[in-house]
Amino acid sequence: AQSVSQHNHHVILSEAASLELGCNYSYGGTVNLFWYVQYPGQHLQLLLKYFSGDPLVKGIKGFEAEFIKSKFSFNLRKPSVQWSDTAEYFCATWMDSSYKLIFGSGTRLLVRP
Amino acid sequence: SAVISQKPSRDICQRGTSLTIQCQVDSQVTMMFWYRQQPGQSLTLIATANQGSEATYESGFVIDKFPISRPNLTFSTLTVSNMSPEDSSIYLCSVEEVGQNNYGYTFGSGTRLTVV
Repeated sequence: AQSVSQHNHHVILSEAASLELGCNYSYGGTVNLFWYVQYPGQHLQLLLKYFSGDPLVKGIKGFEAEFIKSKFSFNLRKPSVQWSDTAEYFCATWMDSSYKLIFGSGTRLLVRP
Repeated sequence: SAVISQKPSRDICQRGTSLTIQCQVDSQVTMMFWYRQQPGQSLTLIATANQGSEATYESGFVIDKFPISRPNLTFSTLTVSNMSPEDSSIYLCSVEEVGQNNYGYTFGSGTRLTVV
């Protein structure tokens, strides 16, 4: 079965610093990968997704992620974070081919002004 | 994208009681899912709500504890039965959206449940 793992549980950055959050997936056939963000007190929002094609995916709010098949990775990046990026970030994938979305453990990002 | 209305947004319940959470979508969707997010943790899939048939539960979740209804393509309920403090979590409804140029999942705002 497909799964994703996030090794950074807590990340603290200063504003304008660059961000990279790790996400590794287990190979299980067709790869479908997502990044979601949960701002404090708000519901989950989709940042970006990868199904096929260009491995560099651009999402909302200046985020991007690169699918690297050889490394089984789909890391989330942003060149310059803002205080408003403080949130929890979840990597997700399909469970098997069942269209059920399963999530990594999440990474809490705190951006200091 | 679909708009999900989830009710109640929060509740405080006595142990041993049950709470039913409603999820209303503004368009017809095939796949609806229920998740649990325990304090400080990630989302765990409880079950897939199937229209016109019994829900499909994930390992560790059973129908007696989390009965689910899905009477049509826009509505579902999740009941948390015989609650204990360990059931204190955020419960979220999610739908799969399949469009001509877009595919993804939309989540409701969640129901924050505290069991005392």
